Amino acid sequence: QVHLVQSGAEVKKPGASVTVSCKASGYTFSVFYIHWVRQAPGQGLEWLGQINTDTGGTKYAQKFQGRVTMTRDTSTSTAYMELSRLRSDDTAVYYCARGTGAIDYWGQGTLVPVSS
Amino acid sequence: DIQMTQSPSSLSASVRERVTITCRASQVISSSLAWYQQKPGKAPELLVYAASILESGVPPRFSGSGSGTDYTLTIDSLQPEDFATYYCQQYYSTPLTFGQGTKVEFK
Repeated sequence: QVHLVQSGAEVKKPGASVTVSCKASGYTFSVFYIHWVRQAPGQGLEWLGQINTDTGGTKYAQKFQGRVTMTRDTSTSTAYMELSRLRSDDTAVYYCARGTGAIDYWGQGTLVPVSS
Repeated sequence: DIQMTQSPSSLSASVRERVTITCRASQVISSSLAWYQQKPGKAPELLVYAASILESGVPPRFSGSGSGTDYTLTIDSLQPEDFATYYCQQYYSTPLTFGQGTKVEFK
């Protein structure tokens, strides 16, 4: 049974960084990409980027280039997403999700409120 | 970037009614199109991939169709548990992009 379990909510101040973890289980970690998608309160879904869990190669949305870093640890089947220089409009639920193509499994989401 | 235009943004429907949601891509995406259902406070769930293939476990009242730039999600005989927000998403190229969502509400 596939599970993606994310780290808990974190309150951050503007200018700070946040790292969200995503621990995968129930499948071979390196076979599927991990995507990071966020959803601001009452808004739609926004893709931040993806990591090839086999090679570590990444692709980021242009909007987040220079602020986002995605990594993975194959020994623990865990992916990480760090977002730096946080602003209030980064307040959102951040999801990790599995997919090479369509996204078939999602984590439970991590709420990151950014407020002074 | 490929823009995904989804319509309508919301609709009101009754149980057992047929519902159709459309999604238009700004360029040909060769059926690299998925549909998701999201309920409040929950992560999205995959309904359809490759434009028309139903994900395992999804009720057959859901169906997807389309090609080129135009795609449709149809719910035959809407059930109470189907009241939710639906998103289309293209995975033809990065950045992956989503439609703005369609909220299906009870009439």
